[in-house]
Amino acid sequence: AQSVTQLDSQVPVFEEAPVELRCNYSSSVSVYLFWYVQYPNQGLQLLLKYLSGSTLVKGINGFEAEFNKSQTSFHLRKPSVHISDTAEYFCAVSQNTGGFKTIFGAGTRLFVKA
Amino acid sequence: DTAVSQTPKYLVTQMGNDKSIKCEQNLGHDTMYWYKQDSKKFLKIMFSYNNKELIINETVPNRFSPKSPDKAHLNLHINSLELGDSAVYFCASSQDSLHGEQFFGPGTRLTVL
Repeated sequence: AQSVTQLDSQVPVFEEAPVELRCNYSSSVSVYLFWYVQYPNQGLQLLLKYLSGSTLVKGINGFEAEFNKSQTSFHLRKPSVHISDTAEYFCAVSQNTGGFKTIFGAGTRLFVKA
Repeated sequence: DTAVSQTPKYLVTQMGNDKSIKCEQNLGHDTMYWYKQDSKKFLKIMFSYNNKELIINETVPNRFSPKSPDKAHLNLHINSLELGDSAVYFCASSQDSLHGEQFFGPGTRLTVL
């Protein structure tokens, strides 16, 4: 069975500092990987996704993530964060079992301080 | 134009009542979903429909009944509401059941008193 672990429930960071949000997954088959962002009182929106090909994936708002198959990880990074990046970030894994079922991690709250 | 819309945005009701949440997507997607997000932000799939057919039905009480009149709409009806049903409910859609990227609605905050 697939599962997703986001290793940090909260990540406080100062503005303009780099950040990494960690995500590990387990699955017995090939997976698709996603990062979603949820701003306060809003729905989730896609930041980036890995389906195949290059393991370094670039997304919106300057975020990127690297798929590491050997470590079963898909960590999200940004070299310099802004106050407006304060939000909840969700890692998600989908695997094709005759239709996709997506499992979401528990979320990481990124709090950017001035 | 809003891609995935939900109504109402807020719903406050008494225990034991029956309520419905509506969802519509104008993206031309074949697959729609209902998720429940609890107070700790944990997001859990409840149901998924592909072209009006139920394809995912997680362990959800029978009091929850999804209905898809057409592939652009997926409504959620809840009978005999309980305190534990209080949460934010999100509708989402995807191109089809073989592509994982989902588009989410703004959510419906349900409060059961």
